[in-house]
Amino acid sequence: EVQLVESGGGLVQPGRSLRLSCTASGFTFGDFALAWVRQAPGKGPEWVALKRNRAYAETTEYAASVRGRFTITRDSSKTIAYLQMSNLESEDTALYYCARAIPAIVGYHFDYWGQGTPVTVTS
Amino acid sequence: EIVMTQSPATLSVSPGEGVTLSCWASQSISANLAWYQQEPGQAPRLLIYDASTRATGIPARFSGSGSGTDFTLTISSLQSEDFAVYYCQHYHSWPLTFGGGTKVEIK
Repeated sequence: EVQLVESGGGLVQPGRSLRLSCTASGFTFGDFALAWVRQAPGKGPEWVALKRNRAYAETTEYAASVRGRFTITRDSSKTIAYLQMSNLESEDTALYYCARAIPAIVGYHFDYWGQGTPVTVTS
Repeated sequence: EIVMTQSPATLSVSPGEGVTLSCWASQSISANLAWYQQEPGQAPRLLIYDASTRATGIPARFSGSGSGTDFTLTISSLQSEDFAVYYCQHYHSWPLTFGGGTKVEIK
């Protein structure tokens, strides 16, 4: 059974940093891309970042709103993906989901999701 | 950026009835479209990908159609567990974007 379990969320002040973790199990970690998708309260999902699998050199993509502030990484030995978030803004407040990503010609859709970890940015 | 628009925002439907949800892309996305269902307090669940292919374990009452800019999700006979919010997402280019959602509520 595919499982994705996020952790690391919490309350943080603007300008500070936070690292989220996504522990994966039930599938061959290195064969799949992984993504972070966030959802602000009462809003639709917003894709944040994606890291391709080893077949695609583990390259990354970022939404414009987080590029330069967020970094997605993965540790295949631990089957964990991370989202390092820095210089956080109030607009980053959301529930952050980890999702397994399935490739198309260019982009990806998401076939399995974790339950999310909340991030609240407030002074 | 491709903007995904869903209509209507809310649909009131009786159990057992059928319903069709719409999703439009601001430019052609071929068939690079997925539909997700989100129940309250839950993560989104993949229903449909490639515009019309049901994901693993999704009942046959869910069907998707469309290509280019206009897409629909049809639920043929609403069950109690189908009352939820539905989102479309394109994956034709970067950035990946979602629609604003359609809430299907009990009439």
